[in-house]
Formats: sequence, C-alpha cells, structure tokens
Amino acid sequence: QQQVKQSPQSLIVQKGGISIINCAYENTAFDYFPWYQQFPGKGPALLIAIRPDVSEKKEGRFTISFNKSAKQFSLHIMDSQPGDSATYFCAASYGGATNKLIFGTGTLLAVQP
Amino acid sequence: EAGVAQSPRYKIIEKRQSVAFWCNPISGHATLYWYQQILGQGPKLLIQFQNNGVVDDSQLPKDRFSAERLKGVDSTLKIQPAKLEDSAVYLCASSFHRKPTYEQYFGPGTRLTVT
Repeated sequence: QQQVKQSPQSLIVQKGGISIINCAYENTAFDYFPWYQQFPGKGPALLIAIRPDVSEKKEGRFTISFNKSAKQFSLHIMDSQPGDSATYFCAASYGGATNKLIFGTGTLLAVQP
Repeated sequence: EAGVAQSPRYKIIEKRQSVAFWCNPISGHATLYWYQQILGQGPKLLIQFQNNGVVDDSQLPKDRFSAERLKGVDSTLKIQPAKLEDSAVYLCASSFHRKPTYEQYFGPGTRLTVT
C-alpha cells in the first residue's frame, strides 16, 4: 500500500515529441503527488505537483493528468527537448505530520536531437 | 539563495568501517530530511527532523544508522558499521515547513561505496 509503481523504466523520444510517464498507487490516503526531475550528479528537483481535487495541471510544457478513480497519474512533456533528458520520479505523500514522500522507481528519459 | 550543501560528495570505505555525512540546509528551513537512493531506485526517506526534533525515523536502521541535528541547523548522518548494501547516494533535503505544499529542496548527495 505504500508503493508507487512507475513505468516505463526508460523512454526514448525524438525532439519535439511527447514524453509520457505513468504512475499508479494503492493508498487512497495519498493527497499530494509531485514529479521530480534529476540530472546526473544532482539531487532531485521539484518539477510540478498536483492534488487529487483536480484532474489536470499544466505548467509550460509539463502537464500532470490525474485519475482519482483509477488511482493513476501521469506526466506529459510536450515538445520534448534534449535538455529534458534526465531521470523523472513520481512521488506521493499523505502529508499529515511527516510530509513523507514515497517515490516511484524512476524513468530515464532520453530525447534524441 | 544558496542551496542545500552536502559533504563529502564521494566516499569509499570498507565494510564494517564507519562513515559520517554532513548537511547544511537552506537558511531558515525548519524541516530537514535524509534520503537513501540505491542505484536504479527512487529516494527512500530515512529520517525527518523538525527543527532539532525527530518527526519520522521509521525507516532508519537504528542498529547501524544514527542522525542528529544539533541547534536545528546542520545535520550529520552516521553509519557504523557499514555493510555492502549501504552503497547508495545519501541525499539531504530541506523545506521551510513540513506541510506537503512546501517544496523539498535536495542537495547533490553523497555517493557512498562500501567494498
């Protein structure tokens, strides 16, 4: 119940294409769903986040789609660029006293020029 | 503003040795986190501090891992004795507040190799 399952493990996309990464969870108590971007040798950095009271959130080329009934959420990167090549992690938290983030296993994205 | 600082960046030790990692959070951030990131996996929370008090250490292997945050600012994470399976990147993060809406800012991590 504490797991967040992420797919695919790796993804190759052509420049200008759409990158889609999917995550699924079991614990319905989760109420905060962020996506993190991590470049080699760096720590993860928050990219975009959503709460379950909305079905979609868009920030620039990045969009989160959230399906509460299916307990799934996904990251869409429009017009993918070589600079987007990184590892992406979805995460979930039920806030409360600890704000403990449960991370997915990560997706290595390579955007080919 | 300056980010989360960690040192050392890399450490190689033999099993059964001890090691310590240091973290300096962003100024003014009350909440500090230590995560373990094993190769090919997402970060896993080891311990969370609110000021200098422990909020969550449920996944900290307390027989070998310890952490402290004296004076509510810097923090150290220690492993004694180290095992092969402790090889990982240890990430420190901080946030202004522990509520989820407050972003966690991560440092670059310390890559530990246990041989």
